[in-house]
Amino acid sequence: DAKTTQPPSMDCAEGRAANLPCNHSTISGNEYVYWYRQIHSQGPQYIIHGLKNNETNEMASLIITEDRKSSTLILPHATLRDTAVYYCIVRVGKGSNYKLTFGKGTLLTVNP
Amino acid sequence: GAGVSQTPSNKVTEKGKYVELRCDPISGHTALYWYRQSLGQGPEFLIYFQGTGAADDSGLPNDRFFAVRPEGSVSTLKIQRTERGDSAVYLCASSLNAVTDTQYFGPGTRLTVL
Repeated sequence: DAKTTQPPSMDCAEGRAANLPCNHSTISGNEYVYWYRQIHSQGPQYIIHGLKNNETNEMASLIITEDRKSSTLILPHATLRDTAVYYCIVRVGKGSNYKLTFGKGTLLTVNP
Repeated sequence: GAGVSQTPSNKVTEKGKYVELRCDPISGHTALYWYRQSLGQGPEFLIYFQGTGAADDSGLPNDRFFAVRPEGSVSTLKIQRTERGDSAVYLCASSLNAVTDTQYFGPGTRLTVL
C-alpha cells in the first residue's frame, strides 16, 4: 500500500489560492490519488481524484507530477468554509476491494 | 439527490450494552463501507459489502463487531458488550460499485460508551 505524507497544518488567506501538497513516492502504476476533506463534525467529502493527468472540477484542481510521486490539490479561491482537514489518499486493495486508507491529513485554516 | 444517511446521529450507551448503528446508502449503490474514526485520527476501514455479502471484514477489531446488509441496501453495524474504547464516530460510505471507486460518506454516528 502506497503511503502518503502531508503537512499537518497550513494557513491560507481568504480569496487566495490554497495549495495542499502530498507525497506518495511508493505509488504503483495502477493506483489513483484521491482527495477528501472533512469539515468539523461532518463525514468526509469527496473532492477529486486522478491517475496521472491533471484534473479539474468545480471544487478544485489536482496536479500530479510526471513521476507520480507527489501531487498538489489547489483550491483556487479559498473561502472560510474551506477550513477543514484535507486527506490525500492512494487507493489500496486487490481485486474489486477498494478500501480507503486515511492518514492524519492537513488541517487547512482559511483566515479572513 | 439524497446522500448517505446514518442513524442515530448520536448514541450514548453503558459499558456492556449492545448497540446497532444503521446506514442507508445512496440509492442504487452496490458497494457499502463502514469506517471508524477516533478523536484526532483519520477514518479507519472496518468492513466492505458488495451487494449482500461482506467482501472484506478485515478491519473489524474483534468478534464483538458484526455487520449485515441482508437486502443489499441498508446496512446495520452491531456491537456487542460495548467497551469504553469503542467510543468513536462510525462512518458509512457507499459507491456505485467497487470499480468506480468514488465513495460518498454519510455524516456518521457518534458513539459514546460510558
